Amino acid sequence: AQSVAQPEDQVNVAEGNPLTVKCTYSVSGNPYLFWYVQYPNRGLQFLLKYITGDNLVKGSYGFEAEFNKSQTSFHLKKPSALVSDSALYFCAVRWEPGGFKTIFGAGTRLFVKA
Amino acid sequence: DAGVIQSPRHEVTEMGQEVTLRCKPISGHDYLFWYRQTMMRGLELLIYFNNNVPIDDSGMPEDRFSAKMPNASFSTLKIQPSEPRDSAVYFCASRPTDLNTEAFFGQGTRLTVV
Repeated sequence: AQSVAQPEDQVNVAEGNPLTVKCTYSVSGNPYLFWYVQYPNRGLQFLLKYITGDNLVKGSYGFEAEFNKSQTSFHLKKPSALVSDSALYFCAVRWEPGGFKTIFGAGTRLFVKA
Repeated sequence: DAGVIQSPRHEVTEMGQEVTLRCKPISGHDYLFWYRQTMMRGLELLIYFNNNVPIDDSGMPEDRFSAKMPNASFSTLKIQPSEPRDSAVYFCASRPTDLNTEAFFGQGTRLTVV
């Protein structure tokens, strides 16, 4: 079965430190990978995506993610965390062949302490 | 474009009542998705449409749930009769046919069934 795993329910980091939010996936076929962020009482906002090409993807607000095919991972990273980055982060995957169905991980709550 | 528009933003209803959630996708988007978000189960895909036709409704939890898309600019998710365990945030998302494009989410409807 196709799946996405975010192994950490919560990540705590000090402001100014680098952050990593982990994501692994399992799909049959070529993956399309996405990261979304959700602020309180808001919908999901798109951050970045990997479709093909360069394994290092850069997105909004200084975030980036690295696609690792051998480890089936797509970890989200940022060199220097901000307090305003505190939110709920979701990893998502779509696959080919697989149609247009996108499944989401359980989410990781990021706390950035000043 | 105003983005994906959902209404109402909040809904409180009594157990046994019918609830209808509404969604207006982004114009030109061929795909529409309904998701449910709960603390216990995270973000679940309930159903998705392509060109107003339901493609995969395997995520619909019970027969009490039904969804329709009478035209390209409107979709409804109905729960009849509603139960307290249906309390959740329901998101609508849309995207175009282009596989390289991410989905865009509405602000969600927070449903509370008492």
